[in-house]
Amino acid sequence: AQTVTQSQPEMSVQEAETVTLSCTYDTSENNYYLFWYKQPPSRQMILVIRQEAYKQQNATENRFSVNFQKAAKSFSLKISDSQLGDTAMYFCAFMNPGANNLFFGTGTRLTVIP
Amino acid sequence: SAVISQKPSRDICQRGTSLTIQCQVDSQVTMMFWYRQQPGQSLTLIATANQGSEATYESGFVIDKFPISRPNLTFSTLTVSNMSPEDSSIYLCSVEDGAGGETQYFGPGTRLLVL
Repeated sequence: AQTVTQSQPEMSVQEAETVTLSCTYDTSENNYYLFWYKQPPSRQMILVIRQEAYKQQNATENRFSVNFQKAAKSFSLKISDSQLGDTAMYFCAFMNPGANNLFFGTGTRLTVIP
Repeated sequence: SAVISQKPSRDICQRGTSLTIQCQVDSQVTMMFWYRQQPGQSLTLIATANQGSEATYESGFVIDKFPISRPNLTFSTLTVSNMSPEDSSIYLCSVEDGAGGETQYFGPGTRLLVL
């Protein structure tokens, strides 16, 4: 079974600074999808960024980018120019193609400090 | 991405009763999913609901406890039956994007407290 590990239960960052959230996963598959979701206090799960394992290029979405290291099974999220609205729980998730189940990590609570 | 709504947004229920949660999508989708997020925990998939067929349940979840309906391509319901305090959770529905990109988008969730 796939497992997703987020080793940082809580993190904080000063506004306008950069922070990196860690995620590792375990799978025997060669092709799969990885995601970062954000859950603010409103509890809405919001897709932040998505990476396909067969793509070597790291995904970016505005201030959000990933460092995807396939051999190391690592998928970290970098948030640049942190904003107060980035305060939320961040979940890393894994999916096999053709499967329906998203396997989530335990989450990292990020607080952006003004 | 699809716009997803859920009703109710929250509820407080007595043990032994049942609650039906509705999930509405603004576009037709093939697959809808129901997740549970227990307090302070991550999300766990309960079941997958395809229109016109029985829902597929994950290990640890059964139809008698969590019956699901999927009457059309934009709507689904999840019932939490014979509730106990252990069912207190956030219940979220999600849909897969239509572009084949394997990406799921989530509704706002239903926060359930069972007394």
